[in-house]
Amino acid sequence: AQKVTQAQTEISVVEKEDVTLDCVYETRDTTYYLFWYKQPPSGELVFLIRRNSFDEQNEISGRYSWNFQKSTSSFNFTITASQVVDSAVYFCALSEAETNAGKSTFGDGTTLTVKP
Amino acid sequence: DTGVSQDPRHKITKRGQNVTFRCDPISEHNRLYWYRQTLGQGPEFLTYFQNEAQLEKSRLLSDRFSAERPKGSFSTLEIQRTEQGDSAMYLCASSQGQGLRNQPQHFGDGTRLSIL
Repeated sequence: AQKVTQAQTEISVVEKEDVTLDCVYETRDTTYYLFWYKQPPSGELVFLIRRNSFDEQNEISGRYSWNFQKSTSSFNFTITASQVVDSAVYFCALSEAETNAGKSTFGDGTTLTVKP
Repeated sequence: DTGVSQDPRHKITKRGQNVTFRCDPISEHNRLYWYRQTLGQGPEFLTYFQNEAQLEKSRLLSDRFSAERPKGSFSTLEIQRTEQGDSAMYLCASSQGQGLRNQPQHFGDGTRLSIL
């Protein structure tokens, strides 16, 4: 069965600090997708990134970067120079392509608080 | 692209009443998913449709829950004889997918259900 673990329940940083959110996953499939979503206080889920299991290349998008390592089954998310607007709950999710046709399994989320 | 739309945004009802939620997916998306999110947890999969066919239901979906997507467009989720434990955010998502090829899910803003 697929599983996603976000060990950090809450993280608090001061503005401009860098912060890394950890995500560890379990799956038996060889083809799968990993996602990060942001859920601000308003409640909507905002898609940030998707990676497939065959692409371990790290990705940078502005202040966001993602480190995908199959060897450790991890897909960590780093925010550089954090801002107050980054305060939200961040979810990591896994979707197995071979057995579950698109449905996602989410971690329990990490609540990030960025203080001014 | 107007995104995934859910109605209502909030629903407050007494225990024992029936409630129905509606989800309008992105128009060209053939897959539609329902998730439930309780406080402090990530969304949990309930069920999904490919066009009008309901292809999978989670064990979380008791016999009090029923979902439909009659014409392969909008979907409804009905909860009969609501219980306190049904209080949660109900999220709808849609995506375009065929077989093993899945595009990222787009989530609606959710319907927050509160049972008095």
